[in-house]
Amino acid sequence: QKEVEQNSGPLSVPEGAIASLNCTYSDRGSQSFFWYRQYSGKSPELIMSIYSNGDKEDGRFTAQLNKASQYVSLLIRDSQPSDSATYLCAATSSGNTPLVFGKGTRLSVIA
Amino acid sequence: GAGVSQSPSNKVTEKGKDVELRCDPISGHTALYWYRQSLGQGLEFLIYFQGNSAPDKSGLPSDRFSAERTGGSVSTLTIQRTQQEDSAVYLCASSRDRGPEKLFFGSGTQLSVL
Repeated sequence: QKEVEQNSGPLSVPEGAIASLNCTYSDRGSQSFFWYRQYSGKSPELIMSIYSNGDKEDGRFTAQLNKASQYVSLLIRDSQPSDSATYLCAATSSGNTPLVFGKGTRLSVIA
Repeated sequence: GAGVSQSPSNKVTEKGKDVELRCDPISGHTALYWYRQSLGQGLEFLIYFQGNSAPDKSGLPSDRFSAERTGGSVSTLTIQRTQQEDSAVYLCASSRDRGPEKLFFGSGTQLSVL
């Protein structure tokens, strides 16, 4: 059973702080990893993808991947109240296999 | 349309009835996914269509669930003899080409089984 695990939270951080969201996955064959953001009552939207070990930065977001530890993380710098949402981690082993999602971590940024 | 369209947006049904949920993906997207999300839970994979390949049905929870995709475009998810535990938001997503490089989600169908 391929699983993606996340702490459900809520994770509360003050405005301007760094929010750190973590995810582990069970399938060692996983090659592609994604972070989706889901606002309450809305559908998920992609914010980051990462395929290689190391860091990938996009604006205030940094995704980190460690395949040896089967660990993916998302850092949000200078957190804003508008970042308050549920963050879903997802993984897949290839383009022919469906994306497996974690249950998500709820982030609350306090003004 | 510009995005993934799902209908109906809300469906209330009685236990034991059949329901059909529709998804119209983004034009040109060859991959189509159905997920289910219960209140406060993550996305549960149901079924995956990729081009003309046989669908991956490994996530369907029981034989009461089925889905088809006609002409490589519109998809219908059918739930027969609905049960209360089927109540959830059913999300459809599509992506271009073979890989899930970026899934575009529809707004979902909120299914309530009384």
